[in-house]
Amino acid sequence: AQSVSQHNHHVILSEAASLELGCNYSYGGTVNLFWYVQYPGQHLQLLLKYFSGDPLVKGIKGFEAEFIKSKFSFNLRKPSVQWSDTAEYFCAVKFSGYSTLTFGKGTMLLVSP
Amino acid sequence: DSGVTQTPKHLITATGQRVTLRCSPRSGDLSVYWYQQSLDQGLQFLIQYYNGEERAKGNILERFSAQQFPDLHSELNLSSLELGDSALYFCASSEGGGGAFYNEQFFGPGTRLTVL
Repeated sequence: AQSVSQHNHHVILSEAASLELGCNYSYGGTVNLFWYVQYPGQHLQLLLKYFSGDPLVKGIKGFEAEFIKSKFSFNLRKPSVQWSDTAEYFCAVKFSGYSTLTFGKGTMLLVSP
Repeated sequence: DSGVTQTPKHLITATGQRVTLRCSPRSGDLSVYWYQQSLDQGLQFLIQYYNGEERAKGNILERFSAQQFPDLHSELNLSSLELGDSALYFCASSEGGGGAFYNEQFFGPGTRLTVL
């Protein structure tokens, strides 16, 4: 069965530190890839998405992600985090032939000022 | 604000009871998706409706059912509730049905269900 795994459940960083959150999926076919963010008490918001083309995708709020097909990975990065980036981050995959998204279990990021 | 509304925001009930969660999609969106978010299972897809018809089914228990009405709002019915059903239930909507071309899903604020 298709699955999505996020390596870290909790990450704690200081402001200005660099961020990389890992996401891997188990499927060899065509995929669409997404990162969502959920700020405390709020709904999920789309950070960025990859459908095709340049594997380096830029999203909102300075986030970017790189799709590495050979590694089945779609890692999220930000060069310098801010306190306001404290949130839970979800990787999601739309597998070919399915109309819905499969989410990873999420990574809780805490940025200390 | 995503444009997706869910009611109620919080629901506290007892085991064995039945509850109904309501979702109104963004204007113009034909698909509604239901997700359950719990600490142990993460965010799990339950069911999708597209223009009134069931389109896809995920890890939805037989005790749970959903429907989408002609005005496109959707209701998720949870019956014979158990302690383990306590979770945050999200609704999302998208313009299309999914298929070959992905339409972005917009999420509502969720309904927090507590079963005592």
